[in-house]
Amino acid sequence: DTGVSQDPRHKITKRGQNVTFRCDPISEHNRLYWYRQTLGQGPEFLTYFQNEAQLEKSRLLSDRFSAERPKGSFSTLEIQRTEQGDSAMYLCASSVSGPDTQYFGPGTRLTVL
Amino acid sequence: TQLLEQSPQFLSIQEGENLTVYCNSSSVFSSLQWYRQEPGEGPVLLVTVVTGGEVKKLKRLTFQFGDARKDSSLHITAAQPGDTGLYLCAGYSGAGSYQLTFGKGTKLSVIP
Repeated sequence: DTGVSQDPRHKITKRGQNVTFRCDPISEHNRLYWYRQTLGQGPEFLTYFQNEAQLEKSRLLSDRFSAERPKGSFSTLEIQRTEQGDSAMYLCASSVSGPDTQYFGPGTRLTVL
Repeated sequence: TQLLEQSPQFLSIQEGENLTVYCNSSSVFSSLQWYRQEPGEGPVLLVTVVTGGEVKKLKRLTFQFGDARKDSSLHITAAQPGDTGLYLCAGYSGAGSYQLTFGKGTKLSVIP
């Protein structure tokens, strides 16, 4: 029984570089969500997919952020031209359908120097 | 914007003590979920409550959803060091919602 997996677990990058994170949801889960969590805060919703369709992306933090789920399975979150303020934990979650219980992955900790 | 207020923000207790943490909102939630998160890890689901007045028990943890579905509480009996962590509540605001709204969490430390 595999849960949600994320890769990498940690990423250190220099300001201005592009980074990409991967999320593999629980199989049979149609919905996939991305969240960002900064220190002392709860997770903050960014975007979500129903199968391969991105149904909400207005909460992405800027046009430097983009996400894809090309075949309705795994998803990637890309941040272009990273800034120090992008340093955070990026969490992925999946659910069977919505609204439904969301199961979270272990997260990717991004540090922008 | 739906807001969830959690209290207390920090809690440090001795092993064996009981505690209650609260999750409150002025808005109605169709369901509410409680997660526990350890440093450097993602939130792990503890329970989902759906019906107003619902009470669920998970070993020493008791969860309650308010009658009006605007608030919830988590009670831990005889806390143990393994209960240490960040407790987060999160809710959906209505049918068809996709976005979980999270509180800031209660950081619990149980001292042996």
